[in-house]
Amino acid sequence: SQKIEQNSEALNIQEGKTATLTCNYTNYSPAYLQWYRQDPGRGPVFLLLIRENEKEKRKERLKVTFDTTLKQSLFHITASQPADSATYLCALGFNAGKSTFGDGTTLTVKP
Amino acid sequence: NAGVTQTPKFQVLKTGQSMTLQCAQDMNHEYMSWYRQDPGMGLRLIHYSVGAGITDQGEVPNGYNVSRSTTEDFPLRLLSAAPSQTSVYFCASSKTGVHYEQYFGPGTRLTVT
Repeated sequence: SQKIEQNSEALNIQEGKTATLTCNYTNYSPAYLQWYRQDPGRGPVFLLLIRENEKEKRKERLKVTFDTTLKQSLFHITASQPADSATYLCALGFNAGKSTFGDGTTLTVKP
Repeated sequence: NAGVTQTPKFQVLKTGQSMTLQCAQDMNHEYMSWYRQDPGMGLRLIHYSVGAGITDQGEVPNGYNVSRSTTEDFPLRLLSAAPSQTSVYFCASSKTGVHYEQYFGPGTRLTVT
């Protein structure tokens, strides 16, 4: 069956450290993968997109990797800050334009 | 630009009632979609549209209807509300084609008693 798994529901790290979130999938062949941030009571906000033929993308303190052989994406936040605390969602994208979301990982950055 | 707007923000329905959740975007996006999000879970696609006059089902379409008469508006209709439809509903839009990010509205929190 098709499945998207994001690492444990909650991730707690110390300010200044690097947060690494994982997104694994089975029985999908996405054309691209996106990461979104969601704060409580708000809609998701787009962060990064990586295509199937790309290995890595960076944006400021954010980095995402995409390994289609392992069927995995890693999302890194370097020099994390308490303001980075939120739920992060990965979404698989397909050429028809549809997206399938994982359940999210809640990140808490402690000062 | 207002982006993606949704009304109402909150709604309580009794089982069997019907209602329409409104969604509008002012970015001239062709692609629009409706998701529901249950506690502790990700977003599940209900219906989507790639342009005016064109709609299709997502993974959880039962109990919901949509129509797309204009590029800007994409209302979601609950035909006969059930407690299982208690959820937060998000509307999103994006450019058509591949590889475009989605812009989400603020959500509608629906409770069915």
